[in-house]
Amino acid sequence: GAVVSQHPSWVICKSGTSVKIECRSLDFQATTMFWYRQFPKQSLMLMATSNEGSKATYEQGVEKDKFLINHASLTLSTLTVTSAHPEDSSFYICSARGQGAADTQYFGPGTRLTVL
Amino acid sequence: GQNIDQPTEMTATEGAIVQINCTYQTSGFNGLFWYQQHAGEAPTFLSYNVLDGLEEKGRFSSFLSRSKGYSYLLLKELQMKDSASYLCAVRPLQPDGNNRLAFGKGNQVVVIP
Repeated sequence: GAVVSQHPSWVICKSGTSVKIECRSLDFQATTMFWYRQFPKQSLMLMATSNEGSKATYEQGVEKDKFLINHASLTLSTLTVTSAHPEDSSFYICSARGQGAADTQYFGPGTRLTVL
Repeated sequence: GQNIDQPTEMTATEGAIVQINCTYQTSGFNGLFWYQQHAGEAPTFLSYNVLDGLEEKGRFSSFLSRSKGYSYLLLKELQMKDSASYLCAVRPLQPDGNNRLAFGKGNQVVVIP
């Protein structure tokens, strides 16, 4: 149980294009999903919290118009990196909040984005 | 805000025991998590502590002292596959109930034969 998938697992795009990443909870419903970014040898940095049916909450310093988040259903959240630039190249990881006392976050396998 | 501190790297021999420490400062406390992350992969959940004491799960145990803002992860009978980064994450109390986590930088454990 508590499986989270991400698609695509890796993507290479040209500077200026947009990239959409999907995050799905496969065997449970997730009212809350989280999007993280991780640079090499760095910690996971929370970008935004995505709640089903409402606007995402962005962390300080994260541009909401550049990183568009849509959480249209209880099992799917999407992150779109708009007008990508080389500095956006990173490992993007989503997590879904499980149910139960611990409310553990379960992570997807991540998406490695390379912007040329 | 939150401040989470972990040592950066350690090397240990197969079959040995390793203790990874984590100290934290947070505005309100609502649980501490340990995750394992292999290079290039997403973190996988290892353990959860919200009350003081030791939680044991097979070869892995995690301890929490809320008064000291301190936790450790104990890895026993180390195996080569345990070579990974171990992340400590604290969940502070949050008015919106979203249960965000604040992650430490992780401790890289290298297991050698």
